Amino acid sequence: GIQVEQSPPDLILQEGANSTLRCNFSDSVNNLQWFHQNPWGQLINLFYIPSGTKQNGRLSATTVATERYSLLYISSSQTTDSGVYFCAVLNQAGTALIFGKGTTLSVSS
Amino acid sequence: KAGVTQTPRYLIKTRGQQVTLSCSPISGHRSVSWYQQTPGQGLQFLFEYFSETQRNKGNFPGRFSGRQFSNSRSEMNVSTLELGDSALYLCASSFLPDSTQYFGPGTRLTVL
Repeated sequence: GIQVEQSPPDLILQEGANSTLRCNFSDSVNNLQWFHQNPWGQLINLFYIPSGTKQNGRLSATTVATERYSLLYISSSQTTDSGVYFCAVLNQAGTALIFGKGTTLSVSS
Repeated sequence: KAGVTQTPRYLIKTRGQQVTLSCSPISGHRSVSWYQQTPGQGLQFLFEYFSETQRNKGNFPGRFSGRQFSNSRSEMNVSTLELGDSALYLCASSFLPDSTQYFGPGTRLTVL
């Protein structure tokens, strides 16, 4: 099945810094999503981005499907950005999201 | 639109008991999926339902089962609970199986 790897596993930043999170996947995909898991456990949708580039405020994402990777950019980070960021791709059958292990981001003031 | 709702939010059970978790998808969504999250294994797929049919099941024992009703609401059941079943159980819904999935707040199950 598809393998999803995220890097780095942990990231510590000062408020105001920029960061790039990476997601590599082992096969072609038609569905890729980025999530932020809040301290209470809920997964918040950030982007649905099987290909191309999207931006939402201080966050943007780029997926290069032909090279099997996606990047999540966070600019001018804030303490509220802290948490775990997950990348997930849909399996070939289109029935299950396969998640990476996540990147834990800690932003201090 | 209201988001995905899950009940109960927290649950404490003892080994050997059974538990039923409920998920109400976003209105109009017909696909519902369940995931288990543990510190050791991360987020793992449990089941996926579309129009009341289970289309896929993850690598979990038969103690884990589920169903979807005609109004797209879904339930999952775990029988003969084990300590290792302690986890956050997340439900997700989407309009179509391959479209954006939206997650509920989860049910945190503790097995003592």
